[in-house]
Amino acid sequence: DTGVSQDPRHKITKRGQNVTFRCDPISEHNRLYWYRQTLGQGPEFLTYFQNEAQLEKSRLLSDRFSAERPKGSFSTLEIQRTEQGDSAMYLCASSLGAEATEAFFGQGTRLTVV
Amino acid sequence: AQKITQTQPGMFVQEKEAVTLDCTYDTSDQSYGLFWYKQPSSGEMIFLIYQGSYDEQNATEGRYSLNFQKARKSANLVISASQLGDSAMYFCAAYTGGGNKLTFGTGTQLKVEL
Repeated sequence: DTGVSQDPRHKITKRGQNVTFRCDPISEHNRLYWYRQTLGQGPEFLTYFQNEAQLEKSRLLSDRFSAERPKGSFSTLEIQRTEQGDSAMYLCASSLGAEATEAFFGQGTRLTVV
Repeated sequence: AQKITQTQPGMFVQEKEAVTLDCTYDTSDQSYGLFWYKQPSSGEMIFLIYQGSYDEQNATEGRYSLNFQKARKSANLVISASQLGDSAMYFCAAYTGGGNKLTFGTGTQLKVEL
């Protein structure tokens, strides 16, 4: 296992379309996080899972956003009816345990909504 | 709630010199963790160093050291013997009890010059 992987790396979509991103965490990691990073800013927390349970969602996660981790392994983040303001880098991270001394990040999915 | 402040939007350093990137944090929690991540232009977040709030000694990882001053709520990153490959965006981040999510600063863009 070489780390957290995200697919696709880049996505260009038209406004109003739905998009789905995938994250494969490090295999033994039970915690998985989604972050969003806009240009010139640090990543902002969106949501996290412990195994298959989604335990926290940020106010940033509008009802157009949904995340799943059906078997406690990979996760998907879907954005419905995309808007130009959704253009950002979407980062996935995973960690082992509650008091993680480090979270490993994937390379991110860069979304551009035109 | 917690807040991470990085007051240096950009820094320049000459190759082989040391550089300090500033970070202050604001939290009322007694238990927390502090991180530094490097983000090259390719986008991935690379973990550099971690400091727990109860760790008495400053963390070190190779050329990276974290100057932890608890009373001043600062967690500055020191990079010794800078290399051209150190040119990147650097983010300070923190989590508090439960380790649910990281809160990031706005980052410092470091440029290493010949």
